[in-house]
Amino acid sequence: DTAVSQTPKYLVTQMGNDKSIKCEQNLGHDTMYWYKQDSKKFLKIMFSYNNKELIINETVPNRFSPKSPDKAHLNLHINSLELGDSAVYFCASSQTTVQYFGPGTRLTVT
Amino acid sequence: KNEVEQSPQNLTAQEGEFITINCSYSVGISALHWLQQHPGGGIVSLFMLSSGKKKHGRLIATINIQEKHSSLHITASHPRDSAVYICATIYNFNKFYFGSGTKLNVKP
Repeated sequence: DTAVSQTPKYLVTQMGNDKSIKCEQNLGHDTMYWYKQDSKKFLKIMFSYNNKELIINETVPNRFSPKSPDKAHLNLHINSLELGDSAVYFCASSQTTVQYFGPGTRLTVT
Repeated sequence: KNEVEQSPQNLTAQEGEFITINCSYSVGISALHWLQQHPGGGIVSLFMLSSGKKKHGRLIATINIQEKHSSLHITASHPRDSAVYICATIYNFNKFYFGSGTKLNVKP
C-alpha cells in the first residue's frame, strides 16, 4: 500500500546512455513532481505535472523529459547521461501543498 | 527569486534537549513546508503552514509572516530525531524554494 513508489531504487549506467525512472502514486493526487538531490544534499525541484500539464520547469537541461501517461504516473527520461547527472532523484505528489515523497532513486553515471 | 536560509547548518544535541531550527526567506510566500530526511534518505513531510503555529507530538512549527521567519522546535529530543530538516517555501502556490537543510544529531 505504498503511497508514492519509484523504480528502480538504484541505477548505475555509463555516460551517453538513455535511461528512465518510473514513479507511481496511489493517493489520487493531481500534481506530481521530480526533484534532484545532489552530492551536497541540496534538494532542487525539476518538474511538476498537474493533470498532465507541465507547470514548472526549473532550468533543467532538455536531456531530461517528464512523461505522464496518466494522473498516477510521472516518469523521468534522461538522454545522453552525463557524469553530473549522478544524484538521488525523488518523485513526490500532492493534492494541496503538502507533498508526499517517494523513496528516491540513486543514479550513478560512470 | 525567493532565497531561503536555514540555521544552523549542523546541530548536535544531547538527548532530552530542546531544539530550535530556524528558516528565513526573502519574499512573501503562500506557505512554508518543513521536511525531515532520514539518514537512509527517505523524506517525510512534517508540517505545512501559512500562519501561526502547528504541533504534532514533540514537534512544533511556527511562522511569522511579517518577519518572514519560521522555526521548528523539537521538545525532549531523542536520538531517533537525528535527521536532516529542510525548510521549503511555496511561492504563488506553484513555485518551491528549498533551504540547504539542518543536520541534527541527537546523542544518547
